[in-house]
Amino acid sequence: NAGVTQTPKFQVLKTGQSMTLQCAQDMNHNSMYWYRQDPGMGLRLIYYSASEGTTDKGEVPNGYNVSRLNKREFSLRLESAAPSQTSVYFCASRLPTLEQYFGPGTRLTVT
Amino acid sequence: QKEVEQDPGPLSVPEGAIVSLNCTYSNSAFQYFMWYRQYSRKGPELLMYTYSSGNKEDGRFTAQVDKSSKYISLFIRDSQPSDSATYLCATHGSSNTGKLIFGQGTTLQVKP
Repeated sequence: NAGVTQTPKFQVLKTGQSMTLQCAQDMNHNSMYWYRQDPGMGLRLIYYSASEGTTDKGEVPNGYNVSRLNKREFSLRLESAAPSQTSVYFCASRLPTLEQYFGPGTRLTVT
Repeated sequence: QKEVEQDPGPLSVPEGAIVSLNCTYSNSAFQYFMWYRQYSRKGPELLMYTYSSGNKEDGRFTAQVDKSSKYISLFIRDSQPSDSATYLCATHGSSNTGKLIFGQGTTLQVKP
């Protein structure tokens, strides 16, 4: 039981490049979330998926897209990376009782 | 005004001290409160989860919610160097989507 896994762990992009961050959970949770964490800003919600086949915007969705591929997987795509998207990205999944469980994170640098 | 406010610290204490970490929140409709611990360069891990008012204890950790003052606290007894981490408070707010609202996090250092 691996919990929530994320790939890659680290990534460096040039401005304008695209990439997809992958997330998978093996806990059979319906809801999944993508956050970004920046110094002094805490964790901010980018997008979430309440259930397979649904996605909704969070607090800071601009510049990102998501896909809920199936119940296990929820990916985050940066179509044209910008330096402002340099951050640590966390994926999480949620129990019906509201507790969220986080992955180890992806450290992204956009130059 | 942020919905959840938390002093970022840093907070430095000697080993064995009692640590008090605090958050305030703005909306009296919030009912579910959580504390997460985040070690450096790791993901947040759920430490404590409380509903409504009152105390909840788990080993050296006690979570307290005071709804009358919209104040939540995490107490750590007999603090250890391994408790050095950032502690984040969170509430799910009043939404049924399960979205969490996080405080900024407080960085704690426990010195041997």
